Amino acid sequence: GAVVSQHPSRVICKSGTSVKIECRSLDFQATTMFWYRQFPKQSLMLMATSNEGSKATYEQGVEKDKFLINHASLTLSTLTVTSAHPEDSSFYICSARDPGTDRNIQYFGAGTRLSVL
Amino acid sequence: GQNIDQPTEMTATEGAIVQINCTYQTSGFNGLFWYQQHAGEAPTFLSYNVLDGLEEKGRFSSFLSRSKGYSYLLLKELQMKDSASYLCAVLDSNYQLIWGAGTKLIIKP
Repeated sequence: GAVVSQHPSRVICKSGTSVKIECRSLDFQATTMFWYRQFPKQSLMLMATSNEGSKATYEQGVEKDKFLINHASLTLSTLTVTSAHPEDSSFYICSARDPGTDRNIQYFGAGTRLSVL
Repeated sequence: GQNIDQPTEMTATEGAIVQINCTYQTSGFNGLFWYQQHAGEAPTFLSYNVLDGLEEKGRFSSFLSRSKGYSYLLLKELQMKDSASYLCAVLDSNYQLIWGAGTKLIIKP
């Protein structure tokens, strides 16, 4: 299947700082990428859909000024958690669909575990 | 509203067979997915069903009945490494993925 790379895998930061997470599609071009958040023992929660060359579409309740998404190229989307606070600590996962297939399968990056002190 | 139901937790024995059920009520249907997620890791794709019937892939099989809003994931010859959460997800009419809460599968020796 398609490969999605996510970096960093883990980050620890101080409260008030910003953290950038990168998501890359390695062997395909992704016009659409997805950003999820997952708390322990809970299911995935879609935060936003990242569209190449246009603004991201945020889910209800997700602050767009808090979670900045940039999809500048067909292989890269970034999520920046601005002015992070301890309650932002979570597991953030990106995914992408390979438009070269008709199967609508989302392939996931390895995830980023964010800990805000 | 949209809803996906799957059992919270199941236990099975190494070498045995286990079936994880998923029922769904969504606005439209464009396919059903099963993903495996080990603790602390991201989900990995297992199967995709868009037509009724059984799809077999090695030790794993997935079944779909659209008229019943029902799917199951069948795992044969269970191995300890199969201990994980199994997530059922449905692609709705807007091509949005609706996720179930996941079934934690515990394999005992």
